[in-house]
Amino acid sequence: AQSVTQLGSHVSVSEGALVLLRCNYSSSVPPYLFWYVQYPNQGLQLLLKYTSAATLVKGINDFEAEFKKSETSFHLTKPSAHMSDAAEYFCAGDFGNEKLTFGTGTRLTIIP
Amino acid sequence: DSGVTQTPKHLITATGQRVTLRCSPRSGDLSVYWYQQSLDQGLQFLIQYYNGEERAKGNILERFSAQQFPDLHSELNLSSLELGDSALYFCASSVGETATGNTIYFGEGSWLTVV
Repeated sequence: AQSVTQLGSHVSVSEGALVLLRCNYSSSVPPYLFWYVQYPNQGLQLLLKYTSAATLVKGINDFEAEFKKSETSFHLTKPSAHMSDAAEYFCAGDFGNEKLTFGTGTRLTIIP
Repeated sequence: DSGVTQTPKHLITATGQRVTLRCSPRSGDLSVYWYQQSLDQGLQFLIQYYNGEERAKGNILERFSAQQFPDLHSELNLSSLELGDSALYFCASSVGETATGNTIYFGEGSWLTVV
């Protein structure tokens, strides 16, 4: 079945440290892939998306993600964490079946 | 601000009641999607409308229904509410007819609490 898996429901990093949030997909055909962020009591905001044009995708707030077909992964990174990055992050896949399939989310905590 | 507007932001109602959630898509977007976010189910796709017509259906209960009006706003009707229906309901919109290849923009959601 087509799915998106996020490894680690909770990730904590120190302020200024590298942020790495993991996302893997399961599909015979690579999907379009998205990262969304949900700040406390807010809606989902699109961070970036992969649509096969380039494997390294840059998004807002210095986030980027690299699509690796061989690893079926689309991990999200940010070089230096900021306190304002504390939020829940969702990876989602568009497998061509008329909907976005979301991972279970990763809650990112920033340690001062 | 995504441009997708949802009302109400918060709603508390009793079991057995009926509520209507409203969504205005981004200007120019013809597709509207409804998603449910709950602690146990995560983010689940409910239904999609495109230019007034139902386009795709997901895990939507028979007690729930939706429609998209000529001005493109959409309403999600939830009836015979149960405690388990308590969730955050998102509306989203996109330009195209299908989700594939289109960027979907989400509203801030409507928090429904059933007591």
